[in-house]
Amino acid sequence: GAVVSQHPSRVICKSGTSVKIECRSLDFQATTMFWYRQFPKQSLMLMATSNEGSKATYEQGVEKDKFLINHASLTLSTLTVTSAHPEDSSFYICSASGTDSGNTIYFGEGSWLTVV
Amino acid sequence: SQQGEEDPQALSIQEGENATMNCSYKTSINNLQWYRQNSGRGLVHLILIRSNEREKHSGRLRVTLDTSKKSSSLLITASRAADTASYFCATLSNTGKLIFGQGTTLQVKP
Repeated sequence: GAVVSQHPSRVICKSGTSVKIECRSLDFQATTMFWYRQFPKQSLMLMATSNEGSKATYEQGVEKDKFLINHASLTLSTLTVTSAHPEDSSFYICSASGTDSGNTIYFGEGSWLTVV
Repeated sequence: SQQGEEDPQALSIQEGENATMNCSYKTSINNLQWYRQNSGRGLVHLILIRSNEREKHSGRLRVTLDTSKKSSSLLITASRAADTASYFCATLSNTGKLIFGQGTTLQVKP
């Protein structure tokens, strides 16, 4: 099946700094990518939907200036957590789909962010 | 945003028993999917059922869908200790968003 790779799998950053998480589709062109956040023992919350070449659509309550999403190519989307705070510590998961993935949605392995 | 409730939130059974998890959703859907997540890991896609299907099987998994009640169930038969994980339903909306339910944490005791 198709593969979606996320990097880094774990990252620790200091409060006030920014951290970037990458999501790559390795063997298909991802026209749409989704970013989710998951707090411990909770479900996945959709943060935003990004379509290649256009601005991301954010879910209600998600600060677009804090969580910058770029989907500049058909194989890469990035999530940048700006001015990170300890409450941003979470598990971030991306997913991707495209016409040549049969529109099936594939998930990355997730990225653990810890803000200290 | 969350799509709906999953029931039960936690389930503990003995190996060999069957496990049934239920999911309810709120909006019209294109399809409904079930995923599994081991603690701290990514998601594994288990099975997809389309809105015009009522039941689907895959190995020890059986999924039903009742669009009139906006609900689905996942049955795992002859459970194994390795089935211990969290299970989530997710619905694909007509706008292409995949929205997850609250999840059920399943523990299968050896």
